Amino acid sequence: DGGITQSPKYLFRKEGQNVTLSCEQNLNHDAMYWYRQDPGQGLRLIYYSQIVNDFQKGDIAEGYSVSREKKESFPLTVTSAQKNPTAFYLCASRRGLRDGANVLTFGAGSRLTVL
Amino acid sequence: GEDVEQSLFLSVREGDSSVINCTYTDSSSTYLYWYKQEPGAGLQLLTYIFSNMDMKQDQRLTVLLNKKDKHLSLRIADTQTGDSAIYFCVSGGYNKLIFGAGTRLAVHP
Repeated sequence: DGGITQSPKYLFRKEGQNVTLSCEQNLNHDAMYWYRQDPGQGLRLIYYSQIVNDFQKGDIAEGYSVSREKKESFPLTVTSAQKNPTAFYLCASRRGLRDGANVLTFGAGSRLTVL
Repeated sequence: GEDVEQSLFLSVREGDSSVINCTYTDSSSTYLYWYKQEPGAGLQLLTYIFSNMDMKQDQRLTVLLNKKDKHLSLRIADTQTGDSAIYFCVSGGYNKLIFGAGTRLAVHP
């Protein structure tokens, strides 16, 4: 079955460390996204990529970095510059429907805790 | 900036109907979406409605859109315990989707 795989599901990090969250899709979707989810808040866009070797900052890109070397892969690095990195991170890809709607398919998420 | 507001919590009895409401500010939204998130999981699309429609029905789900008031609602008929989840109202388009904070639906016997 096609889908999005995120790993690891749980990750603990010490302050000052960089960590990389993996996101892999086999849906053949061009566009991929990283969102951050905090309790009681909507999803906030970190970065997105519409095509290989190209990506754009979202609303809260500071302290994060991404790469898109392959269509299937869109890893997110949470750097030590991110002041409050403890959150649930969601990766998604987009497909367009015949009627014009754009639907996101999400991975199961990665929960990052900074100790 | 654009915003989506929805109440944070709703409790219903099993078998009753649930109605989750949201208001949005982005008048350029061509489509409006409802996503569902179960505990510890990613979001999944539940349904969506084209902005020129007033209503869309899909089995137990009914979506009502009042474009003039920018009000969207999701009605779940015969609510079951498996419907317990967080429901997100989403507006916007293409790369600028705007998510509400989510309504946590609790279904009790």
